Amino acid sequence: GQQLNQSPQSMFIQEGEDVSMNCTSSSIFNTWLWYKQDPGEGPVLLIALYKAGELTSNGRLTAQFGITRKDSFLNISASIPSDVGIYFCAGARQYKYIFGTGTRLKVLA
Amino acid sequence: EAGVTQFPSHSVIEKGQTVTLRCDPISGHDNLYWYRRVMGKEIKFLLHFVKESKQDESGMPNNRFLAERTGGTYSTLKVQPAELEDSGVYFCASSQETGSGGYTFGSGTRLTVV
Repeated sequence: GQQLNQSPQSMFIQEGEDVSMNCTSSSIFNTWLWYKQDPGEGPVLLIALYKAGELTSNGRLTAQFGITRKDSFLNISASIPSDVGIYFCAGARQYKYIFGTGTRLKVLA
Repeated sequence: EAGVTQFPSHSVIEKGQTVTLRCDPISGHDNLYWYRRVMGKEIKFLLHFVKESKQDESGMPNNRFLAERTGGTYSTLKVQPAELEDSGVYFCASSQETGSGGYTFGSGTRLTVV
């Protein structure tokens, strides 16, 4: 089946550092989304991107929809302890999402 | 507004038993989705309802899985009989519009089949 390659799989960073993660696909998507999952909770939408080349920010988070429509990245600036969790990218075609395998982020205080 | 509610939050059952998961979407959301994450892998689409109609059930693993949404409100996902490989976290999500504007997910049901 279709897959999104999300990297890195996990990251350990110091509080205050910037973080970058990305997703690539062999197929084109109309929309890219980034979700965060905290332990015991469902994924929560962070950012949605609708146009190739679009760069969108949400507080300390910035995400971009790649020009080729086959990739996206998420940056987190000045990480804090509550940024800990699993970050998922998802490519969307209408109602159906294809998720990446997730990036597990751990922040060391 | 209340979010997407799933029940139970955890379920441990023996192989061969039946389990029914329930999802209450956000009130007024016609679109309801089921997804599943098997340990360490990606979250995968199972199916999509618009009101009470199944629009797409292409992600359902096999005929041991049955989803219903009677009356277009809450939905149930039944696994009968459960197998070991059915273990994972089952997420429900809902949205008002059919499109890729971002769903709201529930907290999930963690199913363990032993």
